[in-house]
Amino acid sequence: NAGVTQTPKFRVLKTGQSMTLLCAQDMNHEYMYWYRQDPGMGLRLIHYSVGEGTTAKGEVPDGYNVSRLKKQNFLLGLESAAPSQTSVYFCASSPRGGLHQPQHFGDGTRLSIL
Amino acid sequence: GENVEQHPSTLSVQEGDSAVIKCTYSDSASNYFPWYKQELGKRPQLIIDIRSNVGEKKDQRIAVTLNKTAKHFSLHITETQPEDSAVYFCAASMSRTGGSYIPTFGRGTSLIVHP
Repeated sequence: NAGVTQTPKFRVLKTGQSMTLLCAQDMNHEYMYWYRQDPGMGLRLIHYSVGEGTTAKGEVPDGYNVSRLKKQNFLLGLESAAPSQTSVYFCASSPRGGLHQPQHFGDGTRLSIL
Repeated sequence: GENVEQHPSTLSVQEGDSAVIKCTYSDSASNYFPWYKQELGKRPQLIIDIRSNVGEKKDQRIAVTLNKTAKHFSLHITETQPEDSAVYFCAASMSRTGGSYIPTFGRGTSLIVHP
């Protein structure tokens, strides 16, 4: 049981390049999230999904797109990378439930945009 | 939307001392308050959580208290150890249509425990 797996772990891009970050979870969780973490800013929500085929914007969605074609995968895309998108990106998932459930995080992707 | 303020941003203590981290939230509808610990270079991991129908919860050296009237909650760590050194995040969330919840995180507190 791997939990939440993010690929790649590190990546360096040039301004204007595109890339996709992959998040996979094997816990059959309904909800998935993408966050970015910058020094002193905590975890800021980019996009999230409450189920297969559905996505929604979070706090800082500009410059990012997402897709949830399969329940276990949540993809984060950067169409034209900018230096301001240099950050550590975390994916998380949580189950549906009558009571709140905590989030399970992946190990993160460190992305540098030159 | 919800706004979560977390203080202090940095906390330095001597081994064996207690540490307290405080968070305030803005939306009275929030009813779930998790705390995450993130060691350097690692993923955030849940250490304790509390729901709005409870005022206090304890797990060994860690406790969380909630004051719904004042809209603040706190993390208490007693007998701190060097391995407690990490960044701690609080979060607040509420139920939404369909049963989902989207937490709002505080900016984090860097706890340093000196041997």
